[in-house]
Amino acid sequence: GQQLNQSPQSMFIQEGEDVSMNCTSSSIFNTWLWYKQDPGEGPVLLIALYKAGELTSNGRLTAQFGITRKDSFLNISASIPSDVGIYFCAGPEGDNFNKFYFGSGTKLNVKP
Amino acid sequence: DSGVTQTPKHLITATGQRVTLRCSPRSGDLSVYWYQQSLDQGLQFLIQYYNGEERAKGNILERFSAQQFPDLHSELNLSSLELGDSALYFCASSVNPGQDYEQYFGPGTRLTVT
Repeated sequence: GQQLNQSPQSMFIQEGEDVSMNCTSSSIFNTWLWYKQDPGEGPVLLIALYKAGELTSNGRLTAQFGITRKDSFLNISASIPSDVGIYFCAGPEGDNFNKFYFGSGTKLNVKP
Repeated sequence: DSGVTQTPKHLITATGQRVTLRCSPRSGDLSVYWYQQSLDQGLQFLIQYYNGEERAKGNILERFSAQQFPDLHSELNLSSLELGDSALYFCASSVNPGQDYEQYFGPGTRLTVT
């Protein structure tokens, strides 16, 4: 099946710092979604990207749909303690809209 | 609150038993997805239903089955439970996977098999 590789696996940063994480796939994705999961909770949708090259912001979060359609990036500016959690990229496999894949996640820790 | 509800929140049962997890999608959503998340792992797609019909299957064991009812709620049945089935089980819903890929997740059911 499809594999989405996320990096880094985990990050330890100081409050106020900017954060970058990325996600790569072995095949083309037509949609990229970014989710955040707090411990013991369901993932929450942060940003959806539908077009190659698209850059979309949601508050302090900015995500980009890579030109190759095989990668996506998420940036968080001026991190705060509540940004702690696991960030997942996800998307449907190619034109198979009914199979959804999630990356392995990037665990973010923010020191106050 | 995503609008997706799941019951029960927690479930503790013994090996060999059978359990049923329930999910109600957001109002207006026709598609339901089930995922399994083991400790410190990512989400594994299990199965998807759209308007009552099975649409896609992922890594779902033969001991597991699901269905979506006419009122669009869905149930995931897990039988002959093993210790390794202990995990968080999430349900997500979307309007129509061909038009809107954004999935909204419920709070999950934490299953513990002892």
